[in-house]
Amino acid sequence: GQNIDQPTEMTATEGAIVQINCTYQTSGFNGLFWYQQHAGEAPTFLSYNVLDGLEEKGRFSSFLSRSKGYSYLLLKELQMKDSASYLCAVLDSNYQLIWGAGTKLIIKP
Amino acid sequence: GAVVSQHPSWVICKSGTSVKIECRSLDFQATTMFWYRQFPKQSLMLMATSNEGSKATYEQGVEKDKFLINHASLTLSTLTVTSAHPEDSSFYICSARQDVDWYEQYFGPGTRLTVT
Repeated sequence: GQNIDQPTEMTATEGAIVQINCTYQTSGFNGLFWYQQHAGEAPTFLSYNVLDGLEEKGRFSSFLSRSKGYSYLLLKELQMKDSASYLCAVLDSNYQLIWGAGTKLIIKP
Repeated sequence: GAVVSQHPSWVICKSGTSVKIECRSLDFQATTMFWYRQFPKQSLMLMATSNEGSKATYEQGVEKDKFLINHASLTLSTLTVTSAHPEDSSFYICSARQDVDWYEQYFGPGTRLTVT
């Protein structure tokens, strides 16, 4: 079956750095997305990785290792507004998005 | 660009009634639209995928006679929850894909459905 694993919840301090991991086992791979979702709102796009390596976009970076079935989202200089759920999703061989359960990130002052 | 709207943003209905939720792509034509539901503290669950002018493809376990999807144009898809029951109370989110070469999905703001 297809499976995406992320930690359920993480806590970090304002101004610090946090890394959210995602491991996946899917039928085929056509890229991995990270989305941010605030409570009661729809997800918003953060990043897309299809090749191995690190993609940096401002305070957020995303890393992919296809051979390890592994990705992480790195958030730097954390702000209170970064408190949200972070969803990892993989595009499988049928170009279907397979979603992880999400990681709830709690930022403390 | 790539804005998706949903209407209504929230709705309360009585058990046994039907509710229609609209999803519109405002500034692009959506080749494909998706409907998700999300229960509290859970991830998105894909209900169905629809392409303009054709029947929706439902995920396993989703009753197509209960959740009617109409994708009448390249900018509008509707989800009708028929004979709603309290267990249908959930957050329903639509998303749209702009073209066949890029797989990012643009999400609507979601509709909170409460069935009493």
